[in-house]
Amino acid sequence: DTEVTQTPKHLVMGMTNKKSLKCEQHMGHRAMYWYKQKAKKPPELMFVYSYEKLSINESVPSRFSPECPNSSLLNLHLHALQPEDSALYLCASSQVPTLEYQETQYFGPGTRLLVL
Amino acid sequence: DAKTTQPNSMESNEEEPVHLPCNHSTISGTDYIHWYRQLPSQGPEYVIHGLTSNVNNRMASLAIAEDRKSSTLILHRATLRDAAVYYCILRGVTGGGNKLTFGTGTQLKVEL
Repeated sequence: DTEVTQTPKHLVMGMTNKKSLKCEQHMGHRAMYWYKQKAKKPPELMFVYSYEKLSINESVPSRFSPECPNSSLLNLHLHALQPEDSALYLCASSQVPTLEYQETQYFGPGTRLLVL
Repeated sequence: DAKTTQPNSMESNEEEPVHLPCNHSTISGTDYIHWYRQLPSQGPEYVIHGLTSNVNNRMASLAIAEDRKSSTLILHRATLRDAAVYYCILRGVTGGGNKLTFGTGTQLKVEL
């Protein structure tokens, strides 16, 4: 099973709302990632978790709060977002990266977020 | 980080081979060349990767120039399902390390 699942598929939220995105994988991967993709643009890395600990934060605003409660789950908590945060949010997982840089990242289908 | 350059778009007819080029003139000796593609309304998916030698798998072939400053992803018989954005990504000490840094990619259009 090489599937990464993400819920919900679509989300509409107001600027004062609090919501969460969920990502799950059962491939035994110990690295998980959040990417943001604006329309017609390439994905941009937001966060990396390795062994359930945050290892990379690409200077993401604090209104985005990631959480990795266990090795299979990754959440992204959203609070006080702005309309410009509307985008496709992609989750991915992989074996923990090594210095050989060969591991494959497996992506979910994404959550399409609209902030009103 | 070492950068890649790809054409913005390419077109192909169904059942014909497609050669997608990628330039990476500042690649270091330890950077791997990875290719991912993103079908419409889906997340990216891994296609192939290599270091120096040409590589083949069930999806595609990767031809790497002898000086490694360029590479070509080869789809042997394009189908409508291959219409996607194809990303050439370097990974290694100078190529973004553990991160996947996506460039703008090549939009492949496949016509009947």
